Amino acid sequence: SYVLTQPPSVSVAPGKTARITCGGNNIGSKSVHWYQQKPGQAPVLVIYYDSDRPSGIPERFSGSNSGNTATLTISRVEAGDEADYYCQVWDSSSDQGVFGGGTKLTVL
Amino acid sequence: EVQLVESGGGLVQPGGSLRLSCAASGFTFSSYAMSWVRQAPGKGLEWVSAISGSGGSTYYADSVKGRFTISRDNSKNTLYLQMNSLRAEDTAVYYCAKDLGDIVVVAGDYWGQGTLVTVSS
Repeated sequence: SYVLTQPPSVSVAPGKTARITCGGNNIGSKSVHWYQQKPGQAPVLVIYYDSDRPSGIPERFSGSNSGNTATLTISRVEAGDEADYYCQVWDSSSDQGVFGGGTKLTVL
Repeated sequence: EVQLVESGGGLVQPGGSLRLSCAASGFTFSSYAMSWVRQAPGKGLEWVSAISGSGGSTYYADSVKGRFTISRDNSKNTLYLQMNSLRAEDTAVYYCAKDLGDIVVVAGDYWGQGTLVTVSS
C-alpha cells in the first residue's frame, strides 16, 4: 500500500517560514491535500489539489508537489498556526485514501 | 451553512456491532462523495471508507474491509457506517467528511465533530 512520510515535528519562530514535507513514491503524480488539526477539534482543509486554498484560509498557507515530495509552506507563522498537520492522497492503484503520520508544528 | 452531525458512537464489546450515522445539511448531499475518517486516542488520522455521491461506488481501507459497510440515503441526506466484528483497535473518534465533488478524492472540505467508538469488554 502507498505510504506517506512526514517529519514528526517542526519548530519555527513567529514571523518565520515553516515548511512541512510529505514524502511518497512519485507523489508528484498524485493530488495532495493538507489538513490542520488543533487539539480537540476536527481537521480543517488548508490546501487541496497540491496548491489550492479553500476560502477563508490565509494566503500565508501554500503548497507544492513535485517528484517524491510535497510541501506545505506557512509564511509569517503565527502562534495560532500551532497544530498538527496531515498530508493526504487518494491512491488510485489501490482505490484507498492515505494519510501521512502527521507533523506537530510548534511555534517557539 | 454546511453541517455534518455524527451519531451512534458508544461502548461496545469486542465482536459486537455498531452503526454510525452522519446527518448532512446545507448542501446538495447527493452531489458529493463522502468519507469516514477515524482517529485513535493520541494517534493520527486514518481513512476508513468512502462512497460516491450516487452511492454506486464504495471504497474501504484494508483494516476494515469485510467488516465495515458504508452506505448513504440521499433522500434523507444521511451517511452511514455499519461496523461489525469490532476489535479493540477500532476504538477511535470517527469523523464524516464531505468531499469536494461527486468523485472520491477524500479532500474533506467540511467535517463533523466526530463520534467516539470504544471497543472494550
